Amino acid sequence: QKEVEQDPGPLSVPEGAIVSLNCTYSNSAFQYFMWYRQYSRKGPELLMYTYSSGNKEDGRFTAQVDKSSKYISLFIRDSQPSDSATYLCAMSALGNYGQNFVFGPGTRLSVLP
Amino acid sequence: SAVISQKPSRDICQRGTSLTIQCQVDSQVTMMFWYRQQPGQSLTLIATANQGSEATYESGFVIDKFPISRPNLTFSTLTVSNMSPEDSSIYLCSVELGGRYEQYFGPGTRLTVT
Repeated sequence: QKEVEQDPGPLSVPEGAIVSLNCTYSNSAFQYFMWYRQYSRKGPELLMYTYSSGNKEDGRFTAQVDKSSKYISLFIRDSQPSDSATYLCAMSALGNYGQNFVFGPGTRLSVLP
Repeated sequence: SAVISQKPSRDICQRGTSLTIQCQVDSQVTMMFWYRQQPGQSLTLIATANQGSEATYESGFVIDKFPISRPNLTFSTLTVSNMSPEDSSIYLCSVELGGRYEQYFGPGTRLTVT
């Protein structure tokens, strides 16, 4: 089993739809949970981060963490064509030299006008 | 946030040669990281580079193949040595600002080895 698994996609939705992106993980030591957005031929851009279980909202984006189920989600409301990108989940745990990051493989999202 | 630039943005190289990738940050940072991203794959951490000390390499990556320099707090280089087609990938540098959960990435270097 991979340490972090992510819905493979690609995902195609109409403009205005609610999008749900999901990741599962196996390491219960993960403390910080992040979502990155990566446009084609660009580096990943940090969207949101959360610590431990719960929800965090930022505009049209909501990040949800359920540590008991080892499951995190990113919800996008009123999706826009500009949201079309690859979304990467990431999580970190404290290692010998600081936080160790693990990234999911990404889900490619297309929002159609 | 931080503004990060990488050079070159892309390159096509022949097998057996080496390529040095530069990463420049617009502010002083302690931690810099080098990642590899292969098509359809996760970001894989190659090494962590602290200014003034040797880089720390992840399992599966060695200094002879991926030597790293970190001469000051705003600059780092990654060299991909003795390249083979398996090294074709996107190479990304990132920096840590604030806590370790806040990483900012450069635009990447797209490397093709023929």
